[in-house]
Amino acid sequence: GEDVEQSLFLSVREGDSSVINCTYTDSSSTYLYWYKQEPGAGLQLLTYIFSNMDMKQDQRLTVLLNKKDKHLSLRIADTQTGDSAIYFCAANSGGYQKVTFGTGTKLQVIP
Amino acid sequence: NAGVTQTPKFRVLKTGQSMTLLCAQDMNHEYMYWYRQDPGMGLRLIHYSVGEGTTAKGEVPDGYNVSRLKKQNFLLGLESAAPSQTSVYFCASSVRDGLYYEQYFGPGTRLTVT
Repeated sequence: GEDVEQSLFLSVREGDSSVINCTYTDSSSTYLYWYKQEPGAGLQLLTYIFSNMDMKQDQRLTVLLNKKDKHLSLRIADTQTGDSAIYFCAANSGGYQKVTFGTGTKLQVIP
Repeated sequence: NAGVTQTPKFRVLKTGQSMTLLCAQDMNHEYMYWYRQDPGMGLRLIHYSVGEGTTAKGEVPDGYNVSRLKKQNFLLGLESAAPSQTSVYFCASSVRDGLYYEQYFGPGTRLTVT
């Protein structure tokens, strides 16, 4: 089955860019997702990318996909204290009716 | 439109007790899921359902049972709780468009088994 890996923790200063990285194992994954979990809450979809794209930009968010290396990243420009949360990478594999989540990266933004 | 709701929000059980967690969604989604979240382990899928009356096992199904008698509800049962089942449990429902699944999560149930 699919395996999705992320680093557990990232600390950045307010105003800097944050880059959260993720690797996955199933090369047939068609959609890759980034979810955000704020303290005490469930996950919310932040953005996603289809596997035939290399990059997707959405306001302060940029998603980069390297299919050859099975590497996904989420860049947050001008990081704010409100961006402090846990960010989950997720991938679905073709034919499976479910999505595999990574371990989550806790982003700490220092004022 | 309440989205996905979970009942209860918190619960403390003694080892061996049983309980049922209720998940409800009002978005008419076909797919529903139960996950557990543990520190450093991310989200692990317990069971899921692709429609009313159907259920399937996920990664970590042992010790849990589920039922989907109505499309809008997905119940997670613990027949004999164990301390290893101390966790935060999330329910989700999903819309599907081809191979694109967007999951909508409930607020979670924090369960402690002593």
